[in-house]
Amino acid sequence: GQQLNQSPQSMFIQEGEDVSMNCTSSSIFNTWLWYKQEPGEGPVLLIALYKAGELTSNGRLTAQFGITRKDSFLNISASIPSDVGIYFCAAPPNYGGSQGNLIFGKGTKLSVKP
Amino acid sequence: ETGVTQSPTHLIKTRGQQVTLRCSSQSGHNTVSWYQQALGQGPQFIFQYYREEENGRGNFPPRFSGLQFPNYSSELNVNALELDDSALYLCASSLAGGDTEAFFGQGTRLTVV
Repeated sequence: GQQLNQSPQSMFIQEGEDVSMNCTSSSIFNTWLWYKQEPGEGPVLLIALYKAGELTSNGRLTAQFGITRKDSFLNISASIPSDVGIYFCAAPPNYGGSQGNLIFGKGTKLSVKP
Repeated sequence: ETGVTQSPTHLIKTRGQQVTLRCSSQSGHNTVSWYQQALGQGPQFIFQYYREEENGRGNFPPRFSGLQFPNYSSELNVNALELDDSALYLCASSLAGGDTEAFFGQGTRLTVV
């Protein structure tokens, strides 16, 4: 089946540092999504990417849809303590999926030291 | 807050029992999806409901079933609970159509003992 591979699994960084994480697959996807999940909450959509090569920003967050359509990355600049959480990449499967029917990666757990 | 509410927030059940989890979708959303999130994993798609019918299913056995009501709220039922069913169960609501954002509830934490 289609799978999304996220790396790294976890990151421990100092406040103020930049963060980069990525998501790869052997399959092609037409949409890439990045979510953040905090303890006791459901995932919240951060950025949606719909076109190969697209670079989209949301505040300190920037994400890119890879040209091959098999990967995406998420960057966080100047991290702050409230960036702590688990970041997931997700994509609708190619057999007619939608944003209600998603494949998720296993997540990157981010810890920020003040 | 997303406007998607799930109940209960926590639940403990015994192996072999049955459980029903509930989800109220965001106002105006007509599609509800259910996910299972095991500890340390990403959410896994169980199934989706649209117009009160199942509209797509992931790799879950038939003992996982659901309902959607005319007001678009939904239930997830799991029969013959197994220890591995212990997980966070997430509900997401959206409008039908490929690129409309799905909003997640806070989840129900199910523990099977």
